[in-house]
Amino acid sequence: DVKVTQSSRYLVKRTGEKVFLECVQDMDHENMFWYRQDPGLGLRLIYFSYDVKMKEKGDIPEGYSVSREKKERFSLILESASTNQTSMYLCASSLGTGPPSGDTQYFGPGTRLTVL
Amino acid sequence: RKEVEQDPGPFNVPEGATVAFNCTYSNSASQSFFWYRQDCRKEPKLLMSVYSSGNEDGRFTAQLNRASQYISLLIRDSKLSDSATYLCVVYTGGSYIPTFGRGTSLIVHP
Repeated sequence: DVKVTQSSRYLVKRTGEKVFLECVQDMDHENMFWYRQDPGLGLRLIYFSYDVKMKEKGDIPEGYSVSREKKERFSLILESASTNQTSMYLCASSLGTGPPSGDTQYFGPGTRLTVL
Repeated sequence: RKEVEQDPGPFNVPEGATVAFNCTYSNSASQSFFWYRQDCRKEPKLLMSVYSSGNEDGRFTAQLNRASQYISLLIRDSKLSDSATYLCVVYTGGSYIPTFGRGTSLIVHP
């Protein structure tokens, strides 16, 4: 069974703090993703990584950066947290070596971040 | 206009009912289609793929209509445990990045 873990289930931070969200997958997947999910807006892609040290911006990258130094780990960084970044953050991974279309996404349990 | 659209619901149905959801997509180059299920306060999980010829998995049937650019999910004999949000997912031509719909909420009551 694929397992995707995220470092925290709940996190409370103050405006201006630097925030690190960690994601680890144990299935040697090539692709990793960071999404945020807000009521009424659905899942929105922040960043995508298709290989170690490689990244691509998603739909809403502003205010975020990412790091992928090892294949199994993908970190999301909020350089200076703001209240509008309060959200549920979901990490996902997918195999990435087969045909691109139809690559099943495996999600972590999510981190609910509150920025005060 | 969002690329993948779903009626947010909620669809409120009694146990044993048959319920169907549609999902429309705007990009004609879309190639692969899936339904994911997300329980309250949980992460999304793959429910089933959607094949061109239609496919069934127990009480669940998925269909694709390329001409009208929509996919559907039919749930027969609804159970209380089917209560969840159902997300439509579309992949477009050669991309590893899926496009998610905003989800349709289903509530099955006794």
